[in-house]
Amino acid sequence: DSGVTQTPKHLITATGQRVTLRCSPRSGDLSVYWYQQSLDQGLQFLIQYYNGEERAKGNILERFSAQQFPDLHSELNLSSLELGDSALYFCASSPLGQGNQPQHFGDGTRLSIL
Amino acid sequence: DQQVKQNSPSLSVQEGRISILNCDYTNSMFDYFLWYKKYPAEGPTFLISISSIKDKNEDGRFTVFLNKSAKHLSLHIVPSQPGDSAVYFCAASASSGTYKYIFGTGTRLKVLA
Repeated sequence: DSGVTQTPKHLITATGQRVTLRCSPRSGDLSVYWYQQSLDQGLQFLIQYYNGEERAKGNILERFSAQQFPDLHSELNLSSLELGDSALYFCASSPLGQGNQPQHFGDGTRLSIL
Repeated sequence: DQQVKQNSPSLSVQEGRISILNCDYTNSMFDYFLWYKKYPAEGPTFLISISSIKDKNEDGRFTVFLNKSAKHLSLHIVPSQPGDSAVYFCAASASSGTYKYIFGTGTRLKVLA
């Protein structure tokens, strides 16, 4: 158990809809990361937050947004969903959000767009 | 542009033998490297890391080797066990800049009993 909690585990919805994925980091970790893993692909970095502030952005679509709340949990919002958005979405956390610290991952949310 | 590459999608090894998983990178700014293991329906689990100031790091059955001149790292598992069967991802980051990790596409290891 990594200590990172992601909900829901599975989400099935239709094109054009909007969904919210939730992540609670490990106790004491200030930084949260979001990744997308499509079929047979590696993990693609989407966005990083540190103590409520956006720190780094990857290949995140404009239809996607995220935030980190004062209690340090984070939400990833995906809107105007397309079939290609079907993927596993992982959240990870680390203590200070530095590159030389391992990130610890949750078990992911599997998003299926019908 | 794939900055971190794992060119072997899969690998099969007999139980008790050595497993060697390879990873190549192109960005010379990367100075911290990690290996993660992933079982189906679970998130990646951190295995071992190495800083660019070292060329080897060992943790039990797992050893990571870094060859900076070749921009290559490898993970050795000795002896391999059936429970090691999983997908292994390497990742790299630069301590200057945004600290984000760049992941390879993974190698599926199967350890045969």
